[in-house]
Amino acid sequence: KQEVTQIPAALSVPEGENLVLNCSFTDSAIYNLQWFRQDPGKGLTSLLLIQSSQREQTSGRLNASLDKSSGRSTLYIAASQPGDSATYLCAVKSPETGNQFYFGTGTSLTVIP
Amino acid sequence: DGGITQSPKYLFRKEGQNVTLSCEQNLNHDAMYWYRQDPGQGLRLIYYSQIVNDFQKGDIAEGYSVSREKKESFPLTVTSAQKNPTAFYLCASRGLDLGGLIYNEQFFGPGTRLTVL
Repeated sequence: KQEVTQIPAALSVPEGENLVLNCSFTDSAIYNLQWFRQDPGKGLTSLLLIQSSQREQTSGRLNASLDKSSGRSTLYIAASQPGDSATYLCAVKSPETGNQFYFGTGTSLTVIP
Repeated sequence: DGGITQSPKYLFRKEGQNVTLSCEQNLNHDAMYWYRQDPGQGLRLIYYSQIVNDFQKGDIAEGYSVSREKKESFPLTVTSAQKNPTAFYLCASRGLDLGGLIYNEQFFGPGTRLTVL
């Protein structure tokens, strides 16, 4: 069974700092990996989707990379802002899991003004 | 506006009572999903459906039931058999490509918070 890990569980940074969030998965045979943002008490907002054939995706200040061979993805946030404070989750879909996505437990990010 | 709606936002259940959570999407997506989220845990899949009148159990289906009579609707019933139903419930949907392979991203509704009294 695919297992997804996100470390650290929580992270605090001063405003303006660049930061990296990590996502690890145990089965490297994945279809895709998706990064989400979740604000307290809200649903998930899709940030970036990386297909298995891709190495990275970019959207604004966000850049997500994928290294299937090592079972890792990183989400890079440039010039962090207080509005970036949220929980960030990654999810993977692989042939082993059929039509299921498996989620990490998330990294809670706080950007201090 | 295209999107996914869930209702109600908050729901309270008495012991022994069945309750139904609504999920509707107007994205014309074929696949729909129900997840449960507990504090400190990742999302866990309850049920999913790829087409109308068909659905499959996820990892934690016991005590839950679903139906998929229409493409845009995927209601979840939390039965009295579910011993610990207090949680945040999230519905999601995703499109399918013509080959049946699923590459498209998931989109989520705003969630329903269920509390057992």
